[in-house]
Amino acid sequence: GAVVSQHPSWVICKSGTSVKIECRSLDFQATTMFWYRQFPKQSLMLMATSNEGSKATYEQGVEKDKFLINHASLTLSTLTVTSAHPEDSSFYICSASDAGTGNQPQHFGDGTRLSIL
Amino acid sequence: KQEVTQIPAALSVPEGENLVLNCSFTDSAIYNLQWFRQDPGKGLTSLLLIQSSQREQTSGRLNASLDKSSGRSTLYIAASQPGDSATYLCAVVTGGGNKLTFGTGTQLKVEL
Repeated sequence: GAVVSQHPSWVICKSGTSVKIECRSLDFQATTMFWYRQFPKQSLMLMATSNEGSKATYEQGVEKDKFLINHASLTLSTLTVTSAHPEDSSFYICSASDAGTGNQPQHFGDGTRLSIL
Repeated sequence: KQEVTQIPAALSVPEGENLVLNCSFTDSAIYNLQWFRQDPGKGLTSLLLIQSSQREQTSGRLNASLDKSSGRSTLYIAASQPGDSATYLCAVVTGGGNKLTFGTGTQLKVEL
């Protein structure tokens, strides 16, 4: 149980394109979803937290107009990288939890490798 | 601000060896600590979760301990195998919101 599916797994696109990444919880209801970014040989950095039906909370230094997050249902959250540039190239990973707070574990997707040419 | 550090950054051992990975965190007021495994280009697989009230957790050849007061956790891997080769990350939840702060990772290579 507790499977999180992330799509696409890899995307290459031209500079200026907007890219949407989907994160789905397949067998549980995800009250909260998290979006992380990982640069090569570095650890995961939390970008934002989204709760179903409300606006996402962004971490300091993350541009909310650049990285649009939608969590419209209990099983789906999307991250849209708007007008992507080469510096946005990174590995993006989502996770989902069935509780907003407390000690519930997060379940991670397999990540999306984004390459902007 | 919580900071999580892992030592060593990289480790190479022969198959069959027992090994210990270390994790330290600066703010001891954590809710829980998790150890994850990450294979190259992949997402994270949760290995063990230790609640703040617990001292250790075991799963198969893995044992994780937690000393909250000193801000330390160790992951013990017994009888290592080549399939254990991966990057191991520890992460803590501090404060509300269930947000994870990740360590820098230990890249493990188990050689035949």
